[in-house]
Amino acid sequence: AAGVIQSPRHLIKEKRETATLKCYPISRHDTVYWYQQGPGQDPQFLISFYEKMQSDKGSIPDRFSAQQFSDYHSELNMSSLELGDSALYFCASSRTGKYNEQFFGPGTRLTVL
Amino acid sequence: TQLLEQSPQFLSIQEGENLTVYCNSSSVFSSLQWYRQEPGEGPVLLVTVVTGGEVKKLKRLTFQFGDARKDSSLHITAAQPGDTGLYLCAGAGTGGGADGLTFGKGTHLIIQP
Repeated sequence: AAGVIQSPRHLIKEKRETATLKCYPISRHDTVYWYQQGPGQDPQFLISFYEKMQSDKGSIPDRFSAQQFSDYHSELNMSSLELGDSALYFCASSRTGKYNEQFFGPGTRLTVL
Repeated sequence: TQLLEQSPQFLSIQEGENLTVYCNSSSVFSSLQWYRQEPGEGPVLLVTVVTGGEVKKLKRLTFQFGDARKDSSLHITAAQPGDTGLYLCAGAGTGGGADGLTFGKGTHLIIQP
């Protein structure tokens, strides 16, 4: 079965620009999560969606927003990018009733110059 | 705020030796997951433990969830060079819904031939 798909895999932006990251969950998974992982750090939870509604919120900056669409894919929108936003961004998906068991995608490496 | 303390942070042992990685918290988790992550890639789910006292085995890897669901351990028997990598524990809160995971800082494991 296909895993979580993320696009793009690599993204280079200038400061103050905007970026949109996309996530396509595993088939029949209805919940998506976004995480940020800085160099040498553990993944930090940003936000999650279940059935297109925001479910849980972590340390997501106000400059970031996200949504989940009717086909369950999700997009993370990042505005006014800062140098400190350079990181790996992971999307994970899970299926309701499966103990919050999350499967991660390959990630998008965002570099802000 | 839930915290997961993972130890040791670094471990280098010889092939054939046994090792144990610990993940401890003062908080109760609804489930706890162990991941392995390669540099620049997404975490790969190894196992999910849900019930207090639960033990799961994956070949030479044995995972245990504490009776109080606050701690977990990963034991590797007869470690092999292919086991080298970053191991992460992650806990899901008891709030229900699509809770984000709280990750430990990870254990960098090196198995020398």
